[in-house]
Amino acid sequence: GENVEQHPSTLSVQEGDSAVIKCTYSDSASNYFPWYKQELGKRPQLIIDIRSNVGEKKDQRIAVTLNKTAKHFSLHITETQPEDSAVYFCAARSNFGNEKLTFGTGTRLTIIP
Amino acid sequence: GAGVSQSPSNKVTEKGKDVELRCDPISGHTALYWYRQSLGQGLEFLIYFQGNSAPDKSGLPSDRFSAERTGGSVSTLTIQRTQQEDSAVYLCASSFDRGGEKLFFGSGTQLSVL
Repeated sequence: GENVEQHPSTLSVQEGDSAVIKCTYSDSASNYFPWYKQELGKRPQLIIDIRSNVGEKKDQRIAVTLNKTAKHFSLHITETQPEDSAVYFCAARSNFGNEKLTFGTGTRLTIIP
Repeated sequence: GAGVSQSPSNKVTEKGKDVELRCDPISGHTALYWYRQSLGQGLEFLIYFQGNSAPDKSGLPSDRFSAERTGGSVSTLTIQRTQQEDSAVYLCASSFDRGGEKLFFGSGTQLSVL
């Protein structure tokens, strides 16, 4: 089955700086890669996703890049703000079998004012 | 309903008792997942239902855990003979399409086993 690794597990950045979270996946048949944000005490929510036919996608201050050859994808947050502090989860979905979504282990991002 | 609904929101039980956790997915959503999240930890996959297909139970940690989904809608996660290590938040999520695209999570059930 699919295996998703996520790094780093914790990340602290100064407000206004950029943050990058990286994930690798094992199944070359995976074709869908979402990112979820979980604020303290709240449920995870989808913030951005990318499909395997696209190399990069942006939405305001967040962007995701995908390298299919290397089987890794990254979340980039620019001009970080205190409200970006949360746990971020990447995930990957295989195009075969039951197409189950597999999550990474999460990154706790702290924005330092 | 407007979102994924889980009940109860909190459950305190004694070790050895059975518990049932309920999930009401968004109407029309065919995919339904159960996850477990211990304090400060990641999303541990438990079970995945997709339409009328056989569920993927590969994440259930022991035979004390079981889940069913009746009529392709409401799902119940049952934990028999609860242990203290079962204490966690149990999250349910649903999506319209196969494969968990655009998952919507419920607010979870906080289970505490004393």
